[in-house]
Amino acid sequence: DIQMTQSPASLSASLEEIVTITCKASQGIDDYLSWYQQKPGKSPQLLIYDATSLADGVPSRFSGSRSGTQYSLKISRPQVDDSGIYYCLQSYSTPPTFGGGTKLELK
Amino acid sequence: EVQLVETGGGLVQPGNSLKLSCATSGFTFSTAWMNWIRQTPGKRLEWLAQIEDKSNNYFISYLESVKGRFTISRDDSKSSVYLQMNNLKEEDTAIYYCTRGDVMDAWGQGASVTVSS
Repeated sequence: DIQMTQSPASLSASLEEIVTITCKASQGIDDYLSWYQQKPGKSPQLLIYDATSLADGVPSRFSGSRSGTQYSLKISRPQVDDSGIYYCLQSYSTPPTFGGGTKLELK
Repeated sequence: EVQLVETGGGLVQPGNSLKLSCATSGFTFSTAWMNWIRQTPGKRLEWLAQIEDKSNNYFISYLESVKGRFTISRDDSKSSVYLQMNNLKEEDTAIYYCTRGDVMDAWGQGASVTVSS
């Protein structure tokens, strides 16, 4: 199985910062990488798919990128409403596997 | 509007069975590949099973650790997908979600399953 190592596990950021969350795949996944946001008491919602494509209705302050087998989610000028848990998912091979999650707190 | 609604969760004793249902609307279900995902109390997400569409002969994949205990199925006439869970264990306690496609671009609200004596 492909392991997705996500970091950091938690993060406190100000509204003026650029927030970056990373997921490193244990092998190549050909950009079959998605990012999700989960707010308390809600189900995860798709933000980014195919590593860099923004899902419908997602604000442009969210973006995705890749460097080798490391994938990154960037939030530029985050808003308080962006607080929550963020997960990556590789769907390159079965079983699809998620990163461990990053809890983001905006201060 | 795309909607997925899970039902059938609850409290069960170890060794018992439970069947989850996921009713969908707002998209062409018959051509969608569907998944079951669970989220543990520690917030870890785990993919459990996928069922493809008719054009792919309803091909099914399972997480190795649930193979033989869990069964995914679908009814295109009802736009629904199901998860039959047998011989449940305490570690199966989780919130269970159905999702759409490899990208998982749509999720239900989740069904809570608690396995405890």
